Amino acid sequence: DQQVKQNSPSLSVQEGRISILNCDYTNSMFDYFLWYKKYPAEGPTFLISISSIKDKNEDGRFTVFLNKSAKHLSLHIVPSQPGDSAVYFCAASTVTSGTYKYIFGTGTRLKVLA
Amino acid sequence: ETGVTQSPTHLIKTRGQQVTLRCSSQSGHNTVSWYQQALGQGPQFIFQYYREEENGRGNFPPRFSGLQFPNYSSELNVNALELDDSALYLCASSLGLAGGVGLFFGEGSRLTVL
Repeated sequence: DQQVKQNSPSLSVQEGRISILNCDYTNSMFDYFLWYKKYPAEGPTFLISISSIKDKNEDGRFTVFLNKSAKHLSLHIVPSQPGDSAVYFCAASTVTSGTYKYIFGTGTRLKVLA
Repeated sequence: ETGVTQSPTHLIKTRGQQVTLRCSSQSGHNTVSWYQQALGQGPQFIFQYYREEENGRGNFPPRFSGLQFPNYSSELNVNALELDDSALYLCASSLGLAGGVGLFFGEGSRLTVL
């Protein structure tokens, strides 16, 4: 049962343009949604998060949008830079018996072309 | 401030053997989680330790076990290794049990089971 889905395994974008990465989820009890970036041979790095009670969170070039009715979130990167080329994971957190459990999607590989 | 460090970075075992992976959490972080990332997949939650006790577990059999020490470092032990255990094992630390703060990952230990 894949509760967090990233249906696009890869995405290519020209430098300077907008990158939009998408994520769908099925569990309406998730309370936070997070995006992680992963370079080869490194662990995932926390990028940005959004509470389930918000619909937008912005941090510099990165903005996450949450549409609860559609159970969909997206990460916008503007403008895209070659250094943004990485695998991006969407994750959702839920509390079970006092423990925050994070469920990750399968990732989207972003390639920003110079 | 030191980040999350894991050892060893790579190792090869044969089916039926046992393995111990180690993790030092980020300075000040008291919660450690372990994840398994198979090829082409997102990280899958194995378990979490908080104040030296297991505080949540994913869908992994009992042959996956762990420990957390007073200095918050942690071990992941896997007994009776199977071929499907071949994966990148990620350790992540966090402060307390806050869902929106995110996890800080190490670089991972890549296990190959032959």
